[in-house]
Amino acid sequence: QAVLTQPSSLSASPGASASLTCTLRSGINVGTYRIYWYQQKPGSPPQYLLRYKSDSDKQQGSGVPSRFSGSKDASANAGILLISGLQSEDEADYYCMIWHSSAPVFGGGTKLTVL
Amino acid sequence: QVQLVQSGAEVKKPGASVKVSCKASGYTFTSYDINWVRQATGQGLEWMGWMNPNSGNTGYAQKFQGRVTMTRNTSISTAYMELSSLRSEDTAVYYCARGQWLANFDYWGQGTLVTVSS
Repeated sequence: QAVLTQPSSLSASPGASASLTCTLRSGINVGTYRIYWYQQKPGSPPQYLLRYKSDSDKQQGSGVPSRFSGSKDASANAGILLISGLQSEDEADYYCMIWHSSAPVFGGGTKLTVL
Repeated sequence: QVQLVQSGAEVKKPGASVKVSCKASGYTFTSYDINWVRQATGQGLEWMGWMNPNSGNTGYAQKFQGRVTMTRNTSISTAYMELSSLRSEDTAVYYCARGQWLANFDYWGQGTLVTVSS
């Protein structure tokens, strides 16, 4: 079972909100990890969006709009990237990452379609 | 402004080696680790390893142990990733990314496409 699992795709309408999940493998407690989120558009390298561990331990990437935010769902053992006020330019692949056993691990990515 | 500029696309035959460079500018090269991440076409991101440009210390993902070597030339602020014994499954875009231990990768190179084909 993969360390991080992301749904392969998600669709949402312009102006709506999208909640992208990153589920940690059973036995790995989301509460103890900083979760990093990246956005990747076709033909471009990933761009760092934000980091979230708790409301007191979070970081917004430089220049990243506040409509991108992080949270956690402890009951689901998952990290969440919330994008509010969706815009067409938000259509991209989104990857979560944690440091696990002293190495960075990426989720498989979610392709967000805005239509 | 921080920039990581990578070398150009490569085509290699199976069994050969490839060496990709990553030239840093806009910051003190020795103050941040350089990580290497690859991405096969249509696939996700795969971390390969890291290098501390100050000490030269490295750490490699288990999958690449014995096949990858990460080095640097501090006089020209350039990091290198060499992958040997190439096979078709190594066909991917290879990225360098600036980061620090247990932290985010805040700047990425533009990527280098390595194609392994007979």
